[in-house]
Amino acid sequence: DAKTTQPNSMESNEEEPVHLPCNHSTISGTDYIHWYRQLPSQGPEYVIHGLTSNVNNRMASLAIAEDRKSSTLILHRATLRDAAVYYCIYDNQGGKLIFGQGTELSVKP
Amino acid sequence: GAGVSQTPSNKVTEKGKYVELRCDPISGHTALYWYRQSLGQGPEFLIYFQGTGAADDSGLPNDRFFAVRPEGSVSTLKIQRTERGDSAVYLCASSLAGAGAGELFFGEGSRLTVL
Repeated sequence: DAKTTQPNSMESNEEEPVHLPCNHSTISGTDYIHWYRQLPSQGPEYVIHGLTSNVNNRMASLAIAEDRKSSTLILHRATLRDAAVYYCIYDNQGGKLIFGQGTELSVKP
Repeated sequence: GAGVSQTPSNKVTEKGKYVELRCDPISGHTALYWYRQSLGQGPEFLIYFQGTGAADDSGLPNDRFFAVRPEGSVSTLKIQRTERGDSAVYLCASSLAGAGAGELFFGEGSRLTVL
């Protein structure tokens, strides 16, 4: 299975940036890196994905290391609604995504 | 709405009974996925359809679990002779193609409780 390593939990203050790290040392050159998040009692929600270059969208930025063995999800200004479990995943299974334990982000007002 | 719809949202059954969970994907999405999630765990992959056929069913835990997608749209996950360990939230997701380069859209899930 595609294995990623993330911290179990992180804390942030509201209105401050958050950097969520992920290691994926066994990734291959054609595997996309995906980030999803899951709010309590909801299904996972897509955040962002990328291959090699850094990516930005309205929700977040994704910074991918040059060797692609790690990446960082950046929330530029955390809000209370960003409190969720964040999953870093890469697809080397021909179309399915294998979720790990994720990082539980708490945001303090 | 235009999202992935799952029914029922909650199902309570007794050990040994048969259960069906339904997923209505986003119109036009060819790929459909089933996951299950136990409390405090990440979603666990069960099966992935591309069109009508199961492209990968390696996550189904045993032969009590079966899923179909006869017309390439709605899918049904079937669980025979339910056990207490089957209690979980069953999540369905769909995407335009495979997940590799695209986005999965998840439903709210069906919470199954086996007494």
